Amino acid sequence: QITLKESGPTLVKPTQTLTLTCTFSGFSLGTNGVAVGWIRQPPGKALEWVGFIYWDDDESYRPSLKGRLTITKDTSKHQVVLTLTNVDPVDTATYYCVRRDRIPAAADYWGQGILVTVSS
Amino acid sequence: DIQMTQSPSSLSASVGDRVTITCRASQSLSGYLNWYQQTPGEAPKLLIHATSTLQSGVPSRFSGSGSGREFTLTISSLQREDFATYYCQQSYSTYWTFGQGTKVELE
Repeated sequence: QITLKESGPTLVKPTQTLTLTCTFSGFSLGTNGVAVGWIRQPPGKALEWVGFIYWDDDESYRPSLKGRLTITKDTSKHQVVLTLTNVDPVDTATYYCVRRDRIPAAADYWGQGILVTVSS
Repeated sequence: DIQMTQSPSSLSASVGDRVTITCRASQSLSGYLNWYQQTPGEAPKLLIHATSTLQSGVPSRFSGSGSGREFTLTISSLQREDFATYYCQQSYSTYWTFGQGTKVELE
């Protein structure tokens, strides 16, 4: 059974750094073709892809977040960490941790999500 | 960026209705088009990947079709549990993008 779960702060002040951890089970991020990443959803709005880290250590990030976003992995701990620096109220969103395999090239498993509010 | 445009943004329908949602991309996707369903307060769920492949466990009343830049999601006979918001998403590019969503409401 594949599960993913997000953890981290639910309130962050503007200009601070947001760190979210995704802890997953039921698969290995060392398996060829697998990626774990983040999709976010501002309140009442559509889904936004944030980024992925891949089995081979490659990374891909949303262009508008480049420079502020880092995604890292600890394969042995089955964890992926999102770090977003200098947050702004527009970063307020529910952040979902997701898995992507080579087939399907889609987010086939999702965490429950964590609502992060950026406010002073 | 590949822009994804869904239509309509919302629709009202009744149980048993046939519903079709359209998704248009700003460039050809070579079939790399996925559909998700999201009910209020829940995480999205993958329904269809690669244009027309039903994800395991998804009822057969859902189907997907299309090619190039234009794709459709069809629900052949709407059930009560299908009232939700549906999103298309392209995975042709490394930089994924989503449509703005289509909310299916009870008429």
